[in-house]
Amino acid sequence: AQSVSQHNHHVILSEAASLELGCNYSYGGTVNLFWYVQYPGQHLQLLLKYFSGDPLVKGIKGFEAEFIKSKFSFNLRKPSVQWSDTAEYFCAVNAGGGSNYKLTFGKGTLLTVNP
Amino acid sequence: DAGVTQSPTHLIKTRGQQVTLRCSPKSGHDTVSWYQQALGQGPQFIFQYYEEEERQRGNFPDRFSGHQFPNYSSELNVNALLLGDSALYLCASSLYRGIGTSPLHFGNGTRLTVT
Repeated sequence: AQSVSQHNHHVILSEAASLELGCNYSYGGTVNLFWYVQYPGQHLQLLLKYFSGDPLVKGIKGFEAEFIKSKFSFNLRKPSVQWSDTAEYFCAVNAGGGSNYKLTFGKGTLLTVNP
Repeated sequence: DAGVTQSPTHLIKTRGQQVTLRCSPKSGHDTVSWYQQALGQGPQFIFQYYEEEERQRGNFPDRFSGHQFPNYSSELNVNALLLGDSALYLCASSLYRGIGTSPLHFGNGTRLTVT
């Protein structure tokens, strides 16, 4: 069964600090990987996705993530965070593709950016 | 604007009662998925509907059932409510081609409280 672990429950940073949020998944086959973000009072929005090809993917608002297959990881990064990045971030995996239509989410990481 | 609309936004029910939640997908989308998000957890997959049929189901009891209408809108029904059913219920829409090519778009959710 597929599962996702997000290592940090709550991360607090100051503006301009660099960000890295950890995400590991457990599945040995083909995976589609996602990061979703939920800003306060808003719906879950897709931040970026990896399906195949270049393991370094770029998303909206300056975020990027790197898929490292050997480590089963898909960490999210941003070189310099802003106050507006305060939100909850969810890593998710779709394992096996094909006839598997479900996303398995991690528990989320709450990011607080202080001005 | 989420594109995916859910109703109602909040609901309070008593143990043993039944509840129906509704979802209209983003324009152009034909597939609807339902997720349950308990407090402090990531969303968990309940099931997905495509062409008015349940295409895939997660690890939820038969008390959870759904329906998709010809206009692609969907309902989630929960019978014999338990306290543990208290959660945010998320609807997500996509295209039939699957997550690999059509990421999920989420609504704002329905907050269900069971007393």
